[in-house]
Amino acid sequence: DIVMTQSPDSLAVSLGERATINCKSSQSVLLDSNNKNYLAWYRQKSGQPPELLIYWASIRESGVPDRFSGGGSGTNFTLTISSLQAEDGAIYYCQQYYSNSFSFGGGTKVEIK
Amino acid sequence: QVRLQESGPGLVKPSETLSLTCTVSGGSISSPTFHWAWIRRPPGKGLEWIGSIYYTGSTYNNPSLKSRVTISIDTSMNHFSLRLTSVTATDTAMYYCARQHGSGAYYEGRWFGTWGQGTLVTVSS
Repeated sequence: DIVMTQSPDSLAVSLGERATINCKSSQSVLLDSNNKNYLAWYRQKSGQPPELLIYWASIRESGVPDRFSGGGSGTNFTLTISSLQAEDGAIYYCQQYYSNSFSFGGGTKVEIK
Repeated sequence: QVRLQESGPGLVKPSETLSLTCTVSGGSISSPTFHWAWIRRPPGKGLEWIGSIYYTGSTYNNPSLKSRVTISIDTSMNHFSLRLTSVTATDTAMYYCARQHGSGAYYEGRWFGTWGQGTLVTVSS
């Protein structure tokens, strides 16, 4: 099974500042035949279900603000929020879909400082 | 716009079977473009994928849950269901159903694009 590890567990960021979340997979999630990274990011606000932010490691889902960006390849990935807004206080998860035994990272809690 | 709604008992006794249904509206569960999935989040923990099903009935489950999980689909009712047997307190969680992108081809993306609101299931006597 592919284990997803996120860091940090939590971080506090001021409004308007940048937040960066890391995600590491125990094996590469890059498929060589199509050069795609099989990784998605989600945001879960308190009391709400998760919502898809990014897939293919860097493609924003329709309607997701452009302050969210995803990067990385192979085993190391990042989610960056360029200018934190109040509604971004939430838990963020990465998920790999390279293996059919899908797995999520443990989550990173972003708090507004 | 597709919507998913979970339903089922909020309290299950230890050793008994947890049963949930996810009703899909605004779209057909028989669409060849998607799978349908169950995911849970125990209190204070992260998300755990339970299993997925295609409209044909083809399923695959999280190996960590072994043979306790059964996922079924009823295309005539436009819903799919989860059964988890021999539950313990560690099965207490918010349970979500979700629509999962992809028909199953190996190169496809398989993210979870649309989620239900979730239903809390507590395992306690």
